[in-house]
Amino acid sequence: QKEVEQNSGPLSVPEGAIASLNCTYSDRGSQSFFWYRQYSGKSPELIMSIYSNGDKEDGRFTAQLNKASQYVSLLIRDSQPSDSATYLCAGGTLNTNAGKSTFGDGTTLTVKP
Amino acid sequence: SQTIHQWPATLVQPVGSPLSLECTVEGTSNPNLYWYRQAAGRGLQLLFYSVGIGQISSEVPQNLSASRPQDRQFILSSKKLLLSDSGFYLCAYPTLAGGGGGYTFGSGTRLTVV
Repeated sequence: QKEVEQNSGPLSVPEGAIASLNCTYSDRGSQSFFWYRQYSGKSPELIMSIYSNGDKEDGRFTAQLNKASQYVSLLIRDSQPSDSATYLCAGGTLNTNAGKSTFGDGTTLTVKP
Repeated sequence: SQTIHQWPATLVQPVGSPLSLECTVEGTSNPNLYWYRQAAGRGLQLLFYSVGIGQISSEVPQNLSASRPQDRQFILSSKKLLLSDSGFYLCAYPTLAGGGGGYTFGSGTRLTVV
């Protein structure tokens, strides 16, 4: 079992819809969780971080964390064609373990105009 | 502000040839630095990390090595490349205070071994 698993894509949504990206993790010691956006041929860009149970909102993006279920999600509201990219979920530990992260394989999102 | 530079952007190398990829950071001192590799269509695999000059930790046994000769310089090397070394190589430093894995990545080097 991979340490971080993401729902297999690709995911396609129409413009203006809500895109829901999901991720589960197996290491209960993980304390920090991240979502990265990676456009084709480019390096990943950190877009959200979440450390506590519940929701964290930033503009059109909402990250959700449920440590009991070992589940992390990213919601993108009012999806735009420019949101089309691969989204990587990652988990790590705070202040220990040299700040290492473990990544999922990514979910590719396509937003259709 | 902090910036990270990687070069070259693309590289095509024959099997058995050597490799040297360089990463430098600016605007910060003694950062943790990381080398990740991304195979086509896959997530990122941590190869090496460094918490200071001369300090290298290897995550997976492989054909590669890393060095940190200066505070802000991190180098990935190989003496003889294998076909399986092909991939997208990314250098990173921690974006967030306290670490925990939030990174800023360099622009990456796409390596094709032929």
